[in-house]
Amino acid sequence: GQQVMQIPQYQHVQEGEDFTTYCNSSTTLSNIQWYKQRPGGHPVFLIQLVKSGEVKKQKRLTFQFGEAKKNSSLHITATQTTDVGTYFCAGPNNAGNMLTFGGGTRLMVKP
Amino acid sequence: EAQVTQNPRYLITVTGKKLTVTCSQNMNHEYMSWYRQDPGLGLRQIYYSMNVEVTDKGDVPEGYKVSRKEKRNFPLILESPSPNQTSLYFCASSIRSPSGVNYEQYFGPGTRLTVT
Repeated sequence: GQQVMQIPQYQHVQEGEDFTTYCNSSTTLSNIQWYKQRPGGHPVFLIQLVKSGEVKKQKRLTFQFGEAKKNSSLHITATQTTDVGTYFCAGPNNAGNMLTFGGGTRLMVKP
Repeated sequence: EAQVTQNPRYLITVTGKKLTVTCSQNMNHEYMSWYRQDPGLGLRQIYYSMNVEVTDKGDVPEGYKVSRKEKRNFPLILESPSPNQTSLYFCASSIRSPSGVNYEQYFGPGTRLTVT
């Protein structure tokens, strides 16, 4: 079945450093979503990318969808302690009735 | 306030004792689903429902049951819980299924279940 992989699994950064997490799907995706889960919290929707090669920005966060629509990345510029959490990518299966999540990247920021 | 609620938030139970985790949403969403979250495995879908009386298995349905008698409620039932079902469970809803655009999932606060 469809698999969505994320790397790295963990990342420690110093506050102010940049951070990137990568997401790869075993199948071509019609779209991809990103979620953030704060420690002890629940996943919260960040963004959806639909078009091949699409790039979207939210303040210090930059999201990219690969040309082949099988990979995506999230880049955070100049991390802050408020960025701490686990970031998940998720893509629909071919039937469009289920969402497959990557394993997540846990970001820890040292002040 | 638009939200997804789950109860209970925490539950410790023993093997074999039937339990139900309730989930309710007030956004008139069609699509609802249950996930379990385990360290290193991300979120795995247990069951989903496209609409009232329409449910189907996700990736890890063994040992679970669901029902969707009303649009707002989607309870998760563990008929005979076992220790390998110890996990963090999330209910989620979205306006439509993940088949197009604008189907962001709204998650409940989670239920931490421990089965001894």
